[in-house]
Amino acid sequence: QVQLVESGGGVVQPGRSLRLSCAASGFTFSGYGMHWVRQAPGKGLEWVAFISYDGSKKYCADSVKGRFTISRDNSKNTLYLQMNSLRAEDTAVYYCASVREDYWGQGTLVTVSS
Amino acid sequence: QAVVTQEPSLTVSPGGTVTLTCGSSTGAVTSGHYPYWFQQKPGQAPRTLIYDTSNKHSWTPARFSGSLLGGKAALTLSGAQPEDEAEYYCLLSYSGVFWVFGGGTKLTVL
Repeated sequence: QVQLVESGGGVVQPGRSLRLSCAASGFTFSGYGMHWVRQAPGKGLEWVAFISYDGSKKYCADSVKGRFTISRDNSKNTLYLQMNSLRAEDTAVYYCASVREDYWGQGTLVTVSS
Repeated sequence: QAVVTQEPSLTVSPGGTVTLTCGSSTGAVTSGHYPYWFQQKPGQAPRTLIYDTSNKHSWTPARFSGSLLGGKAALTLSGAQPEDEAEYYCLLSYSGVFWVFGGGTKLTVL
């Protein structure tokens, strides 16, 4: 069955970096565009970034532009989110997803705090 | 980037019908925004109910339907069940360059 498993979350100080991973299985990962979506505690969903199936197109929200980078390794069936210069407002559960196909991970919590 | 608006909360009686809407600050929502609708229950990841305005997944109950209505995307629930109580989010695509979620609608079945 389809599985997306995020990892790499944790507690990090403001200004530091973190890299999230999302391991995919059960479907042809290389055939699908992928998103990162986040949800701050008690808040709504926020779109973070998108990467096309082959990695040639990458887009991100203004709130993370210049700080976050989305990438993928289709040979490893893995999606990444490199997060630099983290801020308190980046605290959230981060989901990887192929939204059109209803493939969602369980999320990984990132807490930015000193 | 655009702002996407949803009703903050709605209440529907069991067996009743309710329509949730999704508007865009840039103007009318069209099929070109490829509207999505998601259902999220407490402590769970979201699930994609509707994609491309009105297409359903195999798991999407038949009582849910998506459409365009009066310049907005709409999600209609006909014959509400207690298990439909959840937060519902819409997502719009802007030229495939950025996507924006609405603020969510908390649906109560009471």
